[in-house]
Amino acid sequence: DQQVKQNSPSLSVQEGRISILNCDYTNSMFDYFLWYKKYPAEGPTFLISISSIKDKNEDGRFTVFLNKSAKHLSLHIVPSQPGDSAVYFCAANVPGYALNFGKGTSLLVTP
Amino acid sequence: KAGVTQTPRYLIKTRGQQVTLSCSPISGHRSVSWYQQTPGQGLQFLFEYFSETQRNKGNFPGRFSGRQFSNSRSEMNVSTLELGDSALYLCASSLTSFRETQYFGPGTRLLVL
Repeated sequence: DQQVKQNSPSLSVQEGRISILNCDYTNSMFDYFLWYKKYPAEGPTFLISISSIKDKNEDGRFTVFLNKSAKHLSLHIVPSQPGDSAVYFCAANVPGYALNFGKGTSLLVTP
Repeated sequence: KAGVTQTPRYLIKTRGQQVTLSCSPISGHRSVSWYQQTPGQGLQFLFEYFSETQRNKGNFPGRFSGRQFSNSRSEMNVSTLELGDSALYLCASSLTSFRETQYFGPGTRLLVL
């Protein structure tokens, strides 16, 4: 039962433009959400997180938005750079239980 | 500061055997989490340890177990190995919780024949 869904397996964006990666979830008990980035042949890298008490968290070029009523979160990367090309995973957690991951979205930033 | 280290890096086992994987977190980090990565299922959370106590647990059978020592080093054990256990097992450490910046190790590639 996939509780966290990333419905776009891939996304292509031009350098300098905004990349928007989306994630939907079904469990209303999730209270913490995280984004990870993964390059081929490397382990994931933690990117940014957000608590359910907030609706936005920003870190440099990365901003995560949380819409609890829609059970939707998104990661915005502005401006996109070629080095951002990677697979992005969103994840969500209920304290004490599993950290649930989406299947990932492969982002390609073209020059 | 040394990163997260995992040993061994590669392992080949046969069905029915058991295996122990080791993870040494970054010095000062007290939270250690384990993940399984497979092509078919993506990244799946196994468990998280903090101060020698399992604090969060994923949806894996009881054949998967772990522990954390007083120096924060962690081990993961899989008993009665199955072919489907073939995967990359990743360990990550953070200061107090996986809900903050985690640092991943290179992983242990397990092949079950």
